[in-house]
Amino acid sequence: EVQLVQSGAEVKKPGESLKISCKGSGYSFASYWIAWVRQMPGKGLEWMGIIYPGDSDTRYSPSFQGQVTISADKSISTAYLQWNSLKASDTAMFYCARRGSSSEYFDYWGQGTLVTAPS
Amino acid sequence: DIQMTQSPSTLSASVGDRVTITCRASQSISTWLAWYQQKPGRAPNLLIYKASSLESGVPSRFSGSGSGTEFTLTISSLQPDDSATYYCQQYNSYPLTFGGGTKVEI
Repeated sequence: EVQLVQSGAEVKKPGESLKISCKGSGYSFASYWIAWVRQMPGKGLEWMGIIYPGDSDTRYSPSFQGQVTISADKSISTAYLQWNSLKASDTAMFYCARRGSSSEYFDYWGQGTLVTAPS
Repeated sequence: DIQMTQSPSTLSASVGDRVTITCRASQSISTWLAWYQQKPGRAPNLLIYKASSLESGVPSRFSGSGSGTEFTLTISSLQPDDSATYYCQQYNSYPLTFGGGTKVEI
């Protein structure tokens, strides 16, 4: 069974760093792209970027380029989303999602990680 | 960036009703469109890909159609479990973009 299991909720102060994770199982993790999607409170879905764990090829949305870092460690089947300096406006739910085998839709999703950075 | 516009933003319907949600793209995306269902507190769930292909395990009352810039998601007979927010997503080009969502109330 394909599963993406994300790390737990985080409460951080603005200015702090943070790295959240997404561990895949039940499939060949290195062979499928993993995306990160933001959902701000009460709002819609925003694609942040995507990584191919096999060679760490990464693409970012222009809206998030320079604001976050996406990485992966295929040896432990885990993808990461990282901030160097959180802002209050980073408060949101973050989902990882597996890209489908044939195209850029998302067939499996993690359960989400809530990041709170109160001002 | 390709803008995706969904309508309506909210709709209220009764069990057994036929429901249609529209998604328009700001430029042609061929059939590179997916639909997701999201229930409160849960991750999105893939319903439809390539505009009209039903994901495995999704009830057959869900269907998708369209190409180019205009797409629809139809629920043929609304069920209580279909109460959720529905999103379209284009994957014609980066950055991938989602519509703003349609909340379906029963």
